[in-house]
Parts: sequence; structure tokens; C-alpha cells
Amino acid sequence: GAVVSQHPSRVICKSGTSVKIECRSLDFQATTMFWYRQFPKQSLMLMATSNEGSKATYEQGVEKDKFLINHASLTLSTLTVTSAHPEDSSFYICSASSGTGYSYEQYFGPGTRLTVT
Amino acid sequence: AQSVTQPDIHITVSEGASLELRCNYSYGATPYLFWYVQSPGQGLQLLLKYFSGDTLVQGIKGFEAEFKRSQSSFNLRKPSVHWSDAAEYFCAVGVTGTASKLTFGTGTRLQVTL
Repeated sequence: GAVVSQHPSRVICKSGTSVKIECRSLDFQATTMFWYRQFPKQSLMLMATSNEGSKATYEQGVEKDKFLINHASLTLSTLTVTSAHPEDSSFYICSASSGTGYSYEQYFGPGTRLTVT
Repeated sequence: AQSVTQPDIHITVSEGASLELRCNYSYGATPYLFWYVQSPGQGLQLLLKYFSGDTLVQGIKGFEAEFKRSQSSFNLRKPSVHWSDAAEYFCAVGVTGTASKLTFGTGTRLQVTL
């Protein structure tokens, strides 16, 4: 199956700093990428959807100035958490799809655990 | 808006026993339905999906799921569980017109005893 990687797998940062998380599709071209956030014992919550070369579409309640998403190529999307605060600590997961529509499977990365101190 | 409920947070079964994980959804029409498995340190992997047609869907690793419209359910089953099936299982729904967005349940953690 298709492989999606995330880097880093874990990151600890100080409050007020910014953190960038990378999501790469290793063996296919990802037209669409999704970013999710997962709190302990809770479900994955979709944060935003990005299509290569265009601006991301954010879900209601997600601050687009705080969670900057860039999808500059067909194999790479980045999520930057700006001015991170302890409440931003969470597990961030990306997924990638080679097309739009449910017939195109979403392949998930292993996630990035962010801890803000 | 659509929603997904997985009533069981944690289930323990013996190896070789049968398994059923429950999933109920809330949506006015027939949604797209998915089951994913997440092992520690791994990304979510698609087990199976239902779009239309036969309501009994076969997936990978010996799993199957049955769509029951009258019960708004999409329960996951496996006749004989293996120790390697221990993982977190997520049910998800997708609806038309939402650009492939998925709504996930809270997950069920499966523990397998030997």
C-alpha cells in the first residue's frame, strides 16, 4: 500500500515558539492532504483539507493564522503551529489521497506528538 | 451534521474467539462507511469500506462488516481473533458534497488475551 510519513514523530517546544510538522507521500502523488488532531481517548478531528497549489480549507473553529498549512508539492504538506501554547499539545495526524472523492483512499501518516511546555 | 458512535471504549477477547465491534452513525441518508485500524506507532490503515450494494462487506485481515440501515449500524466482525489484532479500531463516515471529509468515532481499543 501507499506510504505516508510524518516528521518529526515527537516534538517538545516552549510556549510561544513555532513548530513545523511535515507530511510526505513517499510513493504516490497526493492531490489532497488532510490534517487531523487527536486528543487522548477522543476521535480524530479534521482540522483542514489542502489541495496541491491552493489554499487550505479549514474546519469551523480552527484558527488558520495559528495552524498554517502549506501544500506546495504533490508529495509534501506542512503544518506549522505558530506561537504554540500548552493547549496546542496534541497528536497531529495527516493523511493523503491521490484524488478527490471517497473512491480515493486516504493513507494516514503515523502521527506527530506535540508537547508544548 | 453526521456523527459516529462507538459505544465500547475497550474490549478484551481471547485469541481464537469471535469479535464484534459496534458502530452507529447519525445521518439522514446513506453515508459512506469505513473501518480503520491503528496500531501503536503506525498510521491508520483501512480495513474495509461500504459505499453501496451488498450490505456485507469483506475487508483485509479476515474482517467483515455489515451495514444495517434500519439500525444505522456498521458493526465490524471477525470470526477468530489473532493476538496481532490488538489495536485501536475506528469507525468513520463520509457524506457526499464534503470533499472526502471523514467523521470518526472515538475508537475501540481491542486487547487480545492468549
